[in-house]
Order: sequence, then structure tokens, then C-alpha cells
Amino acid sequence: KQEVTQIPAALSVPEGENLVLNCSFTDSAIYNLQWFRQDPGKGLTSLLLIQSSQREQTSGRLNASLDKSSGRSTLYIAASQPGDSATYLCAVAAMKTSYDKVIFGPGTSLSVIP
Amino acid sequence: DAGVTQSPTHLIKTRGQQVTLRCSPKSGHDTVSWYQQALGQGPQFIFQYYEEEERQRGNFPDRFSGHQFPNYSSELNVNALLLGDSALYLCASSWGQGVQAGELFFGEGSRLTVL
Repeated sequence: KQEVTQIPAALSVPEGENLVLNCSFTDSAIYNLQWFRQDPGKGLTSLLLIQSSQREQTSGRLNASLDKSSGRSTLYIAASQPGDSATYLCAVAAMKTSYDKVIFGPGTSLSVIP
Repeated sequence: DAGVTQSPTHLIKTRGQQVTLRCSPKSGHDTVSWYQQALGQGPQFIFQYYEEEERQRGNFPDRFSGHQFPNYSSELNVNALLLGDSALYLCASSWGQGVQAGELFFGEGSRLTVL
């Protein structure tokens, strides 16, 4: 059964710091992995999508990597800003026939202090 | 280009009632998935609709049902509401069948409170 975890659960950093959020999954049989941002009480905003054949994707100050063999993905945020404060979730599209579905991690709550 | 839109944004129901939530996918998308997100947790997959049929389903009881219309919009119905059904219900759209179809785009959600 595919399970997704995220460490840390919460993170507080001063403005300007570079930071790394971690996502782990138990089964390497995935189609893709997607990172999202969620502001309190709001929907999810897609940040980056990494296909299973890719190693990383970049968008602006964000860089996401994928290592299927070890079941890990990282989201790197450069030069953090207070506006980056939100919950960050990763989701894997799992490919086992018994549970083909998108499975989310619990999220990392990020606070960037001015 | 309109993104994913959901209605209503908030609603309050009592135990035993029924609720219908609505979703219009992003322009150009033909697949709609529904998720339930309890407070402080990640979203849980309910089901996915493609070509007006339920294609995949998560671990949710039959009280949860849905429909997709020819214009790709979708409804989520929940019967016999329980207190535990209180959550944020999220709709996501994508192009193509299956969870491997590609990038998911989410709406702002419908916040359901069951009293």
C-alpha cells in the first residue's frame, strides 16, 4: 500500500533563508509526483509536476527533485519570503491496479518570519 | 481562462440530510476528481469521473456518489450525512483518463459543516 509522509510537519524560518521540504513515499511505482501550496481554508495551487521519468523541475525560486528508487522528493525554496508562508503538500499518482489513485502527504506548514 | 470553480463555498447541514456539491473544470479539461480534506490532513481521494463514468474510487462508502455531465462539469452527492463528513471538499480537473493523466488543478473547495 502506498503511503506518503512529509517531514517536518512544521517549519519556521527567517526571511531570506533557503529551505528544503521533504516528501517520502513507500512504493516507487508512480506515474508522477506533484507539489502543491495551500493557504488556510483555500484550495490547492499546483507548484510543480515531476513525471516518473524526470529527476527535477524548476519554476522561479522553486526546485523539486525526484528519486524514485529511494522513494523521495524534495522541494527547495530559495530566498524565502513572507508570502511563501503556507502549507506545502506533495502527492503521488500511484500505479498499482488495486489502488490507482493520487495519494497526498499530510503537508508541511511553513512560516517565513519577516 | 477560468480555472476550476466550485459551489457552494460554504454550507451547513444537519445529520441525516443530503448534500450536492458542484464543480466546473478548467477550460480544456475533461476529467474531474473529488477529494475530502479534514482539518490538518492531506486530501483523500474520493473518486474520478471521465467520459461521464466513475473510473476510479477511493475508500469511501456508497453514500458518496457523483455524476459527470456532457460539458464535463460534475456533482458530488453525499447522503445520510454524518458528523464525520464535515470537511473541505475539493474538486480537481485534468486532461485525460486515469491518475497518471497529468497535472491536477484544484478549485477553492466547498466547506461542509454537519451539525
